[in-house]
Amino acid sequence: KNEVEQSPQNLTAQEGEFITINCSYSVGISALHWLQQHPGGGIVSLFMLSSGKKKHGRLIATINIQEKHSSLHITASHPRDSAVYICAVNSSGGGADGLTFGKGTHLIIQP
Amino acid sequence: DAMVIQNPRYQVTQFGKPVTLSCSQTLNHNVMYWYQQKSSQAPKLLFHYYDKDFNNEADTPDNFQSRRPNTSFCFLDIRSPGLGDAAMYLCATSRYWGVNGELFFGEGSRLTVL
Repeated sequence: KNEVEQSPQNLTAQEGEFITINCSYSVGISALHWLQQHPGGGIVSLFMLSSGKKKHGRLIATINIQEKHSSLHITASHPRDSAVYICAVNSSGGGADGLTFGKGTHLIIQP
Repeated sequence: DAMVIQNPRYQVTQFGKPVTLSCSQTLNHNVMYWYQQKSSQAPKLLFHYYDKDFNNEADTPDNFQSRRPNTSFCFLDIRSPGLGDAAMYLCATSRYWGVNGELFFGEGSRLTVL
């Protein structure tokens, strides 16, 4: 079973700072997801990656398949970015394993 | 407009009283998932359907059942809720499994057990 590790677990930053959240996994994957969850709320899918880099607004996600590592970057961070960011992977090889989730990174952006 | 809709958003039940949570989708996706998320923990997969093929995770308690009567709807039945079943229940869909399966989540149903 895939092990998904996220770092940092908690991150507090000032508005405007550049934010990086990291995710590493232990075995091959077919896809990696970055998800966002606001306190008490549902989950929103930000990105799904199988290679390279994706950008949406101020959010950028990258993945290095060889190193089994992905990063989520937030440029010009804003208090509304405060949320839990979760990395999740589909292991390769098919099967009915569903997603393996990281424990999440709790991000607070202070005004 | 919401594409994955869960009802109810909040459910309070008594210990042992059956509960049904529903999920509907307007995306015509093949795959539907039910996750349980307890406070400050990662979501845990309970079940998933690929079309009508039902897949039960090995450690999902027998107390939890699921039904998918058609493509659009999926239900989670908790037959005899215990205090440990209090959690957020998340429904998600994807068109395909794996690499092409971008996920769409509902807002969740928060279950309180008294």
